[in-house]
Amino acid sequence: SQKIEQNSEALNIQEGKTATLTCNYTNYSPAYLQWYRQDPGRGPVFLLLIRENEKEKRKERLKVTFDTTLKQSLFHITASQPADSATYLCALCISGGSYIPTFGRGTSLIVHP
Amino acid sequence: DADVTQTPRNRITKTGKRIMLECSQTKGHDRMYWYRQDPGLGLRLIYYSFDVKDINKGEISDGYSVSRQAQAKFSLSLESAIPNQTALYFCATSDLDRAGGGELFFGEGSRLTVL
Repeated sequence: SQKIEQNSEALNIQEGKTATLTCNYTNYSPAYLQWYRQDPGRGPVFLLLIRENEKEKRKERLKVTFDTTLKQSLFHITASQPADSATYLCALCISGGSYIPTFGRGTSLIVHP
Repeated sequence: DADVTQTPRNRITKTGKRIMLECSQTKGHDRMYWYRQDPGLGLRLIYYSFDVKDINKGEISDGYSVSRQAQAKFSLSLESAIPNQTALYFCATSDLDRAGGGELFFGEGSRLTVL
């Protein structure tokens, strides 16, 4: 069966450090992968997209990598701030399909001042 | 004003009642979606629509129905609500990126409690 796995345990880090979140998948051939941020009680907000032929994408303090051999994406937030505390969701869109994102369960990030 | 608006934001109802959740958007997108979010289970797709005449079942459509009244409006109905439909429901829209990759724009969610 197809699976998207994100760490269920919250990631606690100190302000100023780099946060690294992991998204692993099995039995998918994603055309691209998206990352979203979700604050409690709010709708997810799109952050970054990376395509299958891209290794790395950056946006300000955010960096995403995509390794189709390992079937893994890493999401990095450098110089983390307490305001970065939220749940981060990865979503895969399968090549040849209708490009509807399938979501992982998300990982909670807590940045301590 | 929000680009994707959901009503109601909160609703408490009883088992067996009919419930409608409404979604309207000003993004001008053709594609609209309904997701359900439960603690520990993430977002799961209920129904989606690629245009006014197109309706498709998602991963968990049993017990739900939808109506695409216009490009901007997509409603989710629970014909006879049951307690395990208690969840946070999200409407989302996207544009079609020919290269693939259309990001989703979400509403603020509708929290439904079925007693």
